Amino acid sequence: DTAVSQTPKYLVTQMGNDKSIKCEQNLGHDTMYWYKQDSKKFLKIMFSYNNKELIINETVPNRFSPKSPDKAHLNLHINSLELGDSAVYFCASSPIWIRRGGSDTQYFGPGTRLTVL
Amino acid sequence: GNSVTQMEGPVTLSEEAFLTINCTYTATGYPSLFWYVQYPGEGLQLLLKATKADDKGSNKGFEATYRKETTSFHLEKGSVQVSDSAVYFCALSKEMDTGRRALTFGSGTRLQVQP
Repeated sequence: DTAVSQTPKYLVTQMGNDKSIKCEQNLGHDTMYWYKQDSKKFLKIMFSYNNKELIINETVPNRFSPKSPDKAHLNLHINSLELGDSAVYFCASSPIWIRRGGSDTQYFGPGTRLTVL
Repeated sequence: GNSVTQMEGPVTLSEEAFLTINCTYTATGYPSLFWYVQYPGEGLQLLLKATKADDKGSNKGFEATYRKETTSFHLEKGSVQVSDSAVYFCALSKEMDTGRRALTFGSGTRLQVQP
């Protein structure tokens, strides 16, 4: 029944490693997002995909690469992890929308707490 | 660019007290406005939203009114409960140049309700 799910929930790894976080939504939504929440709870969008097409790519190091094999999945791969990458990463999805109107509501996953040692 | 400013937390209240969390925004045009809530250890959940000026969003006893003249969307609840303890995020959704919409979040306000 989980609408937006993420795995793993916790990820502890060493600096320099490469890791992936997976996200899946069963809501039939066309748009998915990745957000980063820092230790002060500040939430910032990283990427957005619509129907497997990248539509938002904020100022994020190119060590971060999103991959969308289909519209129900948006995975986040991180190369050469750094201490500053430690944060909680949230996946979200929203229904299809049109240029004017449509639905803005986003549905969030439970988050993945990444700790880089 | 778009921005959202929320009052600094934590806000500590006793049970049944009145709650106000201030939120103001900067955006051109007519953004949609949202309040999301994050309970401990969980992801964000939509609490309420308003899509045009003077709209009032409400849910679970919380209310917020879209005030274009003051560019504000303050969150209120008449009587808080311990279970309302969480972090509250104000957000706006605005159409970008690409024709897509994106959410901009405030920094979050932690609410602690004591019995």
